Amino acid sequence: EAQVTQNPRYLITVTGKKLTVTCSQNMNHEYMSWYRQDPGLGLRQIYYSMNVEVTDKGDVPEGYKVSRKEKRNFPLILESPSPNQTSLYFCASSFPGTLQPGELFFGEGSRLTVL
Amino acid sequence: GENVEQHPSTLSVQEGDSAVIKCTYSDSASNYFPWYKQELGKGPQLIIDIRSNVGEKKDQRIAVTLNKTAKHFSLHITETQPEDSAVYFCAASKRGSGNTGKLIFGQGTTLQVKP
Repeated sequence: EAQVTQNPRYLITVTGKKLTVTCSQNMNHEYMSWYRQDPGLGLRQIYYSMNVEVTDKGDVPEGYKVSRKEKRNFPLILESPSPNQTSLYFCASSFPGTLQPGELFFGEGSRLTVL
Repeated sequence: GENVEQHPSTLSVQEGDSAVIKCTYSDSASNYFPWYKQELGKGPQLIIDIRSNVGEKKDQRIAVTLNKTAKHFSLHITETQPEDSAVYFCAASKRGSGNTGKLIFGQGTTLQVKP
């Protein structure tokens, strides 16, 4: 089944404790991206990757890191989480073709709470 | 940069009635306008999209209209059913050579269809 898989789905952590949210897609997509969803603010892009080893900042990159060492994986790293990073996070992927990006396929989300 | 405003933030309709969600965008160069539906506990999923060379597109009970002059586009759902209850996001992007095609999302509309 074609899908984007995120882990963990739910996480409660404390300020300053490094964490990683994994994202994997099995559709051979080149484009991957991370979003955060907050009430009243919609979906805001954190980082994106056009292909392996190519990443760039989105609209709200502060406090986050990413890496794209393999085509299928795009982990989101919070080196020192803070309470304002409490949010619902989505990973998405797309096969861009000649017009980028194409339809975005989203994971089921990771709800993070930072105390 | 692009800014997308979405209204209303919540919408409640009776089953069988129509629902309309409206979005405005700021960048006149935007040329691709998708709509995503997010069911409870799930990631957003593309339901319909429209390109700037088209004024209207329909797919069964859903339709999207685009007014490039006024820079707004709308989602129309007819004969609403309880399973239409979800959060809907509009988005805008510039697709084509030299553009990343980054999607800018609206704030989201929570649609409730009452049986």
